[in-house]
Formats: sequence, C-alpha cells, structure tokens
Amino acid sequence: LAKTTQPISMDSYEGQEVNITCSHNNIATNDYITWYQQFPSQGPRFIIQGYKTKVTNEVASLFIPADRKSSTLSLPRVSLSDTAVYYCLVGDMGGKSTFGDGTTLTVKP
Amino acid sequence: ETGVTQSPTHLIKTRGQQVTLRCSSQSGHNTVSWYQQALGQGPQFIFQYYREEENGRGNFPPRFSGLQFPNYSSELNVNALELDDSALYLCASSSSALRETQYFGPGTRLLVL
Repeated sequence: LAKTTQPISMDSYEGQEVNITCSHNNIATNDYITWYQQFPSQGPRFIIQGYKTKVTNEVASLFIPADRKSSTLSLPRVSLSDTAVYYCLVGDMGGKSTFGDGTTLTVKP
Repeated sequence: ETGVTQSPTHLIKTRGQQVTLRCSSQSGHNTVSWYQQALGQGPQFIFQYYREEENGRGNFPPRFSGLQFPNYSSELNVNALELDDSALYLCASSSSALRETQYFGPGTRLLVL
C-alpha cells in the first residue's frame, strides 16, 4: 500500500483558493488517487478521485503530474464551512488504502 | 437512496468484554470496509468484505473479526477489549472493489474503561 505524506495543517481566509499537496512516491501503476474530507465526529466524505492529469468536479480540482508521485487538491474560494481534515489516499482496490494523518485546513473570516 | 448507517452511535464497555458493531451498506453496494480511527489520527483499515467473503485485512489482531450478510450489511466483532480499542469505528461501502470511492457511515464511538 502506497504511503502518503501531507502537510499537517494549513490556514486560509474565506474566498481564497487553497491547494493541498500530497506526496506518494511509491504509487503503483494500478493505483488511483482519492481525496476525502472529514468533519469532527463524522465519517470521511468523498471529494474527488483521479488517475492522471486533471480532474474537476463541482467542489474541487485534482492535479496529477505525469510521474504521479504527487497530487494537489485545489479548493476554489473556500468558506468557513470548508474547515476540516483532508485526506489523500492511494490504492488500487476499494477500501484497502491507508489514511495518513491528513491535513487540517482552518479557514478564517 | 439510503446512505450508510451504523449502530449503535455510542458504546461504553469495560476491558475484557466483547462488542458487536453493525453497519448497513448503501443501497446497491456489495463491498464493506471497516476502519478504526483513534483521536487525532486518520482512519486505519481493519478489513474488507466483498460479497460475504473477507477481501483483505489490515494490521489488526484476530480478536477483530467480521461478517457480511446476504443483504451486504456487516458486523464488526471485537473480543477481549483493551483500553486502546477506544476509538471511532467507521464503516464504508462501495459498489465495487476496484475503486476507492467509498461512502462512509457516521461511525460508532467506542469507549473502553
């Protein structure tokens, strides 16, 4: 299972764009990259998933360089409600990946 | 469409006791995974069930066991509880074992005294 490394914490202000980078040097050919968001005392919530290049949905974008050894979650125009822990996961089979300790994002007014 | 549900929401046990936690998967999902999340840490993979068979296990001792039923709901059993078993136990379901798009329940908070 590929290990991931993320910053422990990040601060931002409302309306700013936030980019959280995850390193996964040992990613395997079949691995996908998935990001989850977790609020206190709740289960993680799926944000976005990708394999290579760029993926965008209604809440975020995911940028993956050609070597796939890292990925960047981009949250446009964050609000106070985006304050949460963000996890990057790498794996090939659903549910078998290891969550790291995540990145605690604090959005300030 | 009903999401993932877990019961009970909270539980208090004493050392040495046994506990059973339950999870109902999202409609149409045949894969259930269980995670343990200690305070301040990320979820740790315990095991996964796919179509009623164990389909992978993390670094947890045999006293952590599970079941998946024909309707794809699942149970997590923990025997001989230890203080370090105190955590949030999360269940996640997915429609396939091939992708990481899992849908998590709200969790069961277990406190072992």
